[in-house]
Amino acid sequence: DIQLTQSPSFLSASVGDRVTITCRASQGISSYLAWYQQKPGKAPKLLIYAASTLQSGVPSRFSGSGSGTEFTLTISSLQPEDFATYYCQQLNSYPSLTFGGGTKVEIK
Amino acid sequence: QVQLQESGPGLVKPSETLSLTCTVSGGSISSYYWSWIRQPPGKGLEWIGYIYYSGSTNYNPSLKSRVTISVDTSKNQFSLKLSSVTAADTAVYYCARVAVVVVPAAIYYYMDVWGKGTTVTVSS
Repeated sequence: DIQLTQSPSFLSASVGDRVTITCRASQGISSYLAWYQQKPGKAPKLLIYAASTLQSGVPSRFSGSGSGTEFTLTISSLQPEDFATYYCQQLNSYPSLTFGGGTKVEIK
Repeated sequence: QVQLQESGPGLVKPSETLSLTCTVSGGSISSYYWSWIRQPPGKGLEWIGYIYYSGSTNYNPSLKSRVTISVDTSKNQFSLKLSSVTAADTAVYYCARVAVVVVPAAIYYYMDVWGKGTTVTVSS
């Protein structure tokens, strides 16, 4: 099975900060990666797929990069509505559409 | 605007079968894949499986022996059955649409529309 490890698991930041979250795959997954944002009590929301393609309607301050085993989600200037938990997911359907463990972004 | 709504019992007894339905509105269930995902209290997301509108399925290997996902195109619904449940199956269960993007040498599956989720507790 492909394992996804996110780091850090918890991040404290201020409004306006540049934030970077890393997702590492246990084996190469090319560009088969998505990023989701989840706020408390809400369903996840798709931000990015194919490692770097921004989903329609998602603000341009979000960006994704990487290929193979290391991927990053960057928020260029953190906004109050961005405080949430972020998950990566590998998109190669076999054997499993695995999620990472999550990164919680909180207000400093 | 496609919307998804989960429904089903909020309480299931241990060893019994959990059954949930997802109703798709604002669009047709045809020509898409549809998925179930769950999230135990205070924990991360776990993909359960997906089904194509034609009926073909793919399940998480860790749950495969207990999971059945089915589709009813006449009702624009798809369903989840999870057998022999234990307390470890207590979670918020989400249904989601699976978008499929085909590019040269790659096929990407990702969840682009989600239901609000329904809480299922396994307890006697």
